Amino acid sequence: SAVISQKPSRDICQRGTSLTIQCQVDSQVTMMFWYRQQPGQSLTLIATANQGSEATYESGFVIDKFPISRPNLTFSTLTVSNMSPEDSSIYLCSVEHRQAGWTEAFFGQGTRLTVV
Amino acid sequence: AQSVAQPEDQVNVAEGNPLTVKCTYSVSGNPYLFWYVQYPNRGLQFLLKYITGDNLVKGSYGFEAEFNKSQTSFHLKKPSALVSDSALYFCAVREGLMNRDDKIIFGKGTRLHILP
Repeated sequence: SAVISQKPSRDICQRGTSLTIQCQVDSQVTMMFWYRQQPGQSLTLIATANQGSEATYESGFVIDKFPISRPNLTFSTLTVSNMSPEDSSIYLCSVEHRQAGWTEAFFGQGTRLTVV
Repeated sequence: AQSVAQPEDQVNVAEGNPLTVKCTYSVSGNPYLFWYVQYPNRGLQFLLKYITGDNLVKGSYGFEAEFNKSQTSFHLKKPSALVSDSALYFCAVREGLMNRDDKIIFGKGTRLHILP
């Protein structure tokens, strides 16, 4: 299993600004994922962040809006750029380590973002 | 393509009664099935999984789930509900480990409300 620390836990931001969310894992993992979750809704995958390569974005999400860094096997950041109220959501980091035999994903506590 | 369906948006159960949260799935190969729970203002917590073996799997907090291949279902159950079980529950599926590119697909979630 993994312990995931996600920061900040919540923030209120002005429209037009950017917020960077950090995800720190207590062990090395091959795959890290960033999700968006509207309140009470399911998870929507934004992108897959793999160390040593560019992030892979899902349909509807672009790098200019959601730049991602993955500098090593225990850390990743997601930036929400030029925010608008429509970006208000919960952002979740998750990790998998299939090469180690993990079959499930583990999640951070989430970042609740409100854009005003 | 893999998919997962949770037909109920909300399930209401009286405390002490048995509960069932339904999930059906679709994959082309052997499924890896998961249940996660999300408490208010928290990330997703892993509850249990089915990979192979016994169709009845047991997980955290007294929950269990039964894999039914013929009905392509993986319903979550608990013999006696607690008020503290009230939360949002997600069923998820993935098509095995060998393909590094396959992703975990989440259902839309079922809100479980335990009535005191």
